[in-house]
Amino acid sequence: EAGVTQFPSHSVIEKGQTVTLRCDPISGHDNLYWYRRVMGKEIKFLLHFVKESKQDESGMPNNRFLAERTGGTYSTLKVQPAELEDSGVYFCASSQGRVAGVKHNEQFFGPGTRLTVL
Amino acid sequence: AQKITQTQPGMFVQEKEAVTLDCTYDTSDPSYGLFWYKQPSSGEMIFLIYQGSYDQQNATEGRYSLNFQKARKSANLVISASQLGDSAMYFCAMTRGQTGANNLFFGTGTRLTVIP
Repeated sequence: EAGVTQFPSHSVIEKGQTVTLRCDPISGHDNLYWYRRVMGKEIKFLLHFVKESKQDESGMPNNRFLAERTGGTYSTLKVQPAELEDSGVYFCASSQGRVAGVKHNEQFFGPGTRLTVL
Repeated sequence: AQKITQTQPGMFVQEKEAVTLDCTYDTSDPSYGLFWYKQPSSGEMIFLIYQGSYDQQNATEGRYSLNFQKARKSANLVISASQLGDSAMYFCAMTRGQTGANNLFFGTGTRLTVIP
C-alpha cells in the first residue's frame, strides 16, 4: 500500500511568488491534515479535511493560504503571495474515517515539502 | 488549549542502554490522546506509540514504552536497548478526544543520538 506522498520535496521561490504544494493521502483515508514546521519551532496544525470538506481550518495563518481537496482525494495548499516567514517544512497526514473498535486513528505522515522563500 | 512541552533539545545515549525522553502536557479536556513520533534524517514522521487518557496501563510497543503519569501530566517515552538506528528527532504530541480524528498538537522535539 502506498503511503502519503507530497510534491514537490523542495521548493525555493522568491518573496511575492506563488507556490502550490500537493498531497496525495493513502487511498481510502477520509481525513487529511496539513501541518507546518518553521525552523526550530514545533510542528503546527494548519487545517483538517474530512473528505472534501474543511473540518477545521483554525490553524491557517492568514488568507494568503488556500487549501483545497476537490473530490475528496488529493489536496493542494497554495501560498499566494509567499512571504519570508512562510519558509518551513509542510507536512501532510491522512487517517481513516472513524472505525468501530479501533482504538485510535493513526495519522500517517508524508515526507514533507521544504519551502524556502527568499 | 492543548500544549506539549519537551524540555530536552538533545539527548545522548550509549548503544544498548535505555533512555527516557521527557514530555509534559497541558489540557483541560478529560479525554485526550498522547502520541510519540520519530523523525529520522530522511524526514518522514513515523508513529511509535499511543496512550489514551482513560487507559489504565502504560502503553508498550516492542522496545518503546510510554510512562504515563496522569496526575503529573507527563507522558515520557522510554526506549530500551537503544540501537544506532534510533538516532532521530522524537516528537511528543496530543489530540483532543480519543477518536484520532482531531489534529495533533506537537512539542518542539528532542534529538536523540545513540553513541556506539
